[in-house]
Amino acid sequence: NAGVTQTPKFRILKIGQSMTLQCTQDMNHNYMYWYRQDPGMGLKLIYYSVGAGITDKGEVPNGYNVSRSTTEDFPLRLELAAPSQTSVYFCASVKGRGGYNEQFFGPGTRLTVL
Amino acid sequence: GEDVEQSLFLSVREGDSSVINCTYTDSSSTYLYWYKQEPGAGLQLLTYIFSNMDMKQDQRLTVLLNKKDKHLSLRIADTQTGDSAIYFCAENRQGGSYIPTFGRGTSLIVHP
Repeated sequence: NAGVTQTPKFRILKIGQSMTLQCTQDMNHNYMYWYRQDPGMGLKLIYYSVGAGITDKGEVPNGYNVSRSTTEDFPLRLELAAPSQTSVYFCASVKGRGGYNEQFFGPGTRLTVL
Repeated sequence: GEDVEQSLFLSVREGDSSVINCTYTDSSSTYLYWYKQEPGAGLQLLTYIFSNMDMKQDQRLTVLLNKKDKHLSLRIADTQTGDSAIYFCAENRQGGSYIPTFGRGTSLIVHP
């Protein structure tokens, strides 16, 4: 298994541009998540999904959109990029069948908005 | 206040023990986790403890859970420079969607 993969690894955007961060998992996990990590601030949940076709907002959803058309893929869309969206973005997944649930994380996408 | 709290920094000498502390607020949490994040990488599960346990040991790692005080700690024995990383505490609340709550992370710096 490749686990959770994310592309791209790095990206620089200009203010107002848009982009899609890709996330794929090959573990047949039900739950998928997008987090952003700013220095010293831990992880902030942007959006999550409990299965294909179902998504919901997390703590900091403004400026982002997601879709989940398949179990494997959970892309994150940034429209009208702003400097406040400069961050490291992590995608994660979990089987989500109650009890012990290890979250598997991708390697991250480092985004700079100038 | 935050649901899961951790101190932000810990500095130790190589060979000493490190103790990273965490407090949480939800008494219904069934599992508590420690994740490790090495520089430039994503988080990776280090260890976990079920809420009906007081202690769990795994090689150099010891997890202690005090449910009365809602306090969790991670002890790393014989700390090595390779243990330098950010350590996150996370809780898994019972029922509903699985949305773990993470602390802000403790940066462990190991000096030679």
